[in-house]
Amino acid sequence: GAVVSQHPSWVICKSGTSVKIECRSLDFQATTMFWYRQFPKQSLMLMATSNEGSKATYEQGVEKDKFLINHASLTLSTLTVTSAHPEDSSFYICSAKHRESLLSGANVLTFGAGSRLTVL
Amino acid sequence: GQQVMQIPQYQHVQEGEDFTTYCNSSTTLSNIQWYKQRPGGHPVFLIQLVKSGEVKKQKRLTFQFGEAKKNSSLHITATQTTDVGTYFCAGHISGTYKYIFGTGTRLKVLA
Repeated sequence: GAVVSQHPSWVICKSGTSVKIECRSLDFQATTMFWYRQFPKQSLMLMATSNEGSKATYEQGVEKDKFLINHASLTLSTLTVTSAHPEDSSFYICSAKHRESLLSGANVLTFGAGSRLTVL
Repeated sequence: GQQVMQIPQYQHVQEGEDFTTYCNSSTTLSNIQWYKQRPGGHPVFLIQLVKSGEVKKQKRLTFQFGEAKKNSSLHITATQTTDVGTYFCAGHISGTYKYIFGTGTRLKVLA
């Protein structure tokens, strides 16, 4: 089945530094990837839609200069949290859209395992 | 903006009891998906519903999509401890690639 690899799985950094999170589709091509943020015991909040070869589309209220997204190839999207601060500490999770099967034709989201960011 | 709410927020049941979570969207959806997230894990796709009034079953799980394509439900019959987790619905917004996740229902099953 489709697999999305995300790393690092957890990272601790100092306030003011930048952190890059990678999301790779291992056995399929993903023209579209999504980045979500999840606070403890809460839902997934869509941050941005990452499109291969073009600029990401950010949701309202998400700072594009703060959360830089790059989708340089059909299998890799990266999220860089720039000048991180403690309030950026969260669980960041990516997903890639693909077809579940030719039979169902469902466009399914396969999620990476997530990256837990702690900013000191 | 678009909102997808789920109720209840939490549910504790005895093993063997049934469980239902309801999903309501502020706007009409083109399709809806359901995901399960185990504690400490990431969401895993369960099913997609596309047609108005559609009902699908997966063993003890029954999924429904409302006639107006604005609400959906997930019903689990005779819960087991392996059903523990948070169940999210995700509504697809027509004309976009976006899926908006519901607020989730966290299920605990007591043995």
